[in-house]
Amino acid sequence: DVVMTQTPVSMSVSLGGQVSISCRSSQSLVHNNGNTYLSWYIQKPSQSPQLLIYKVSNRFSGISDRFSGSGSGTDFTLKISRVEPDDLGVYYCGQGTQYPNTFGAGTKLELK
Amino acid sequence: EVQLVESGGGLVQPGRSLKLSCVASGFTFNNYWMTWIRQAPGKGLEWVASITNTGGSTYYPDSVKGRFTISRDNAKSTLYLQMNSLRSEDTATYYCTRDPRVFAYWGQGTLVTVSS
Repeated sequence: DVVMTQTPVSMSVSLGGQVSISCRSSQSLVHNNGNTYLSWYIQKPSQSPQLLIYKVSNRFSGISDRFSGSGSGTDFTLKISRVEPDDLGVYYCGQGTQYPNTFGAGTKLELK
Repeated sequence: EVQLVESGGGLVQPGRSLKLSCVASGFTFNNYWMTWIRQAPGKGLEWVASITNTGGSTYYPDSVKGRFTISRDNAKSTLYLQMNSLRSEDTATYYCTRDPRVFAYWGQGTLVTVSS
């Protein structure tokens, strides 16, 4: 199984600040079709997870350009700029390249 | 607007069965693979099962293989998860999601509690 390792486990940020979350996979996430199925999700308190970024760097419909994803192979990063109150929650990376699909343990973003 | 509405959760004793449903709307259901993902209380996300758009193929992790069965009724735009031989570690909120490979839409979830 592909193990997804997220760091940090939690982080504090000031409103208007910038944060980076790292996600590393134990195997390459490049699919046979050439796509890399690495996604980022946010779960706000008492809500279902929501898709932010798919295939490493593509923002989902309606997602602010303050969110950006980058990386390749086994090493990926989510950056959030100009943090707003609505950005607080738990962020998960997830891979859909191979079964079983797996997720990182999450990064909790809190206000400083 | 894509909507996924799960139901069927509740309190069940270990070893018993439960069947979850997910009614989909706002998209052509029979064009999409579907997936169940669960989240134990205070824990992360765990993929549970996926099914192709025709229902011809299904996929499970080892943790539920042989106990859980994913199925669908395309005429009713409904996804199911039959859960047998339930264990305490199956206690979680179960989410229905639209696949493949990227979980773009999630339901509100249904809570399954396995306890005597």
